This record gives sequence, structure tokens and C-alpha cells, in this order.
Amino acid sequence: EVVLTQSPATLTLSPGERATLSCRASQSIGTFLAWYQQKPGQAPRLLLYDASKRATGIPARFSGSGSGTDFTLTISSLEPPDFAVYFCQQRANWPTFGGGTKVEIK
Amino acid sequence: EVHLVESGGDLVQPGGSLRLSCSASGFTFNIFAMHWVRQAPGKGLEHLSAISSNGGTRHYADSVNGRFTISRDNSKNSLYLQLSSLRPDDTAIYYCVKDINSGDSYFDSWGQGTLVTVSS
Repeated sequence: EVVLTQSPATLTLSPGERATLSCRASQSIGTFLAWYQQKPGQAPRLLLYDASKRATGIPARFSGSGSGTDFTLTISSLEPPDFAVYFCQQRANWPTFGGGTKVEIK
Repeated sequence: EVHLVESGGDLVQPGGSLRLSCSASGFTFNIFAMHWVRQAPGKGLEHLSAISSNGGTRHYADSVNGRFTISRDNSKNSLYLQLSSLRPDDTAIYYCVKDINSGDSYFDSWGQGTLVTVSS
């Protein structure tokens, strides 16, 4: 099983700031990585897949990078709706998810 | 617009069974793989099972293999998950999830979820 470790667990930032979230895989997964956003009481929403491709309707302030074992989700300038929990997910093997990073308002 | 609606979640005793259903609309159901993903209260996400577009190929997580069965009825645009030998640690919200393609295992549409509680 590929284990995904996300850091930090919590990110406390102000609107307008840049957010950088990390996801590390226990083995190389190429670029087979997705990022999801989840708000309280809602299902997750796909943001990015194949490490850097934006899903339909996702704003350009969300970007992704990385390959192999180290991946990054960047939100260039946080807007109020962006405060949420973010999960990474790999599909190189049986799909697994990271534990999540909560982006909270400072 | 893609719409996935789960039903069937309930309170069930340990060792019991349950059948979850998912009604799909807004897309051509029979050309996409489908999945079930669960989330225990306050916890992370776990991919449970996948089924190919024609239902001919099915995969399961080790944690549910032999206890859960995924199926689909393309004539009814519906996905199912039969849960048996339920345990307290199966308590979770169960999401019906659409694959971004015919088996890429990226999840681009999710239902609102149905809650399964396993407790005596």
C-alpha cells in the first residue's frame, strides 16, 4: 500500500496569502496524484489530477507540482471559500488518500 | 450536471447486512467506472471498491474484500454496495463516486453520502 503523508496538519493563514501544502508518497508514484478540497458537511471536490492538471471549473489560483514521491498544492492567493481541508490521493496502486491538511483562517 | 444520490444507510448491529444504492444522472453512466469511498466520522478517506463501466471487473480494498460486493445496473443508472458481516469500524459515511474516465481512479463527482452506523 502506498502511504501518503501530508504536511502540515494545519496551516493558519490570512486571506490573500499564499498556501503551500505538501504530500509525500512512501514510494514513487510518477505523477499519479490528485488533490481534493473538502468543506464541513460536504463531499470532497476534485481540484487537480495527474499532479498538475486542473479539474473542470477549478480556478487558476490552484496549482500543483511534483513527481515521484514529493508533491505540492499551491493556492496563490487565499480567498474565503478556500479555507477547508485538502486531501491528496494516489492512483499508481490501489487508491489511497493522505490524512489531510486543514487550511484555517488566521 | 452530474448528480449522484446515495441511499440505504442505517443503524445496523454488528454482524448485520445492508445494501447501499446510488442513483446517477447527468452523464452517460455506462461508459464510466464507478467507486465507493468511505469516511469515518472526523477521519480520512478510504477507497473501498471499484467497478468497470460494464460491470465485468470489480476490485476491493483488503479491509472489505469478502464482506462487501459492488454491482451496477446500467439499465437503471444505478450503483450498489452490498455490505455484510458489518463491524463497528465500518461506521462511516459512504460515498458513491464517479471515475474521471473509464478506470483512471480519479474521482471527479461525489454524492452527498449515506451514513452507516454499526452498533449494538
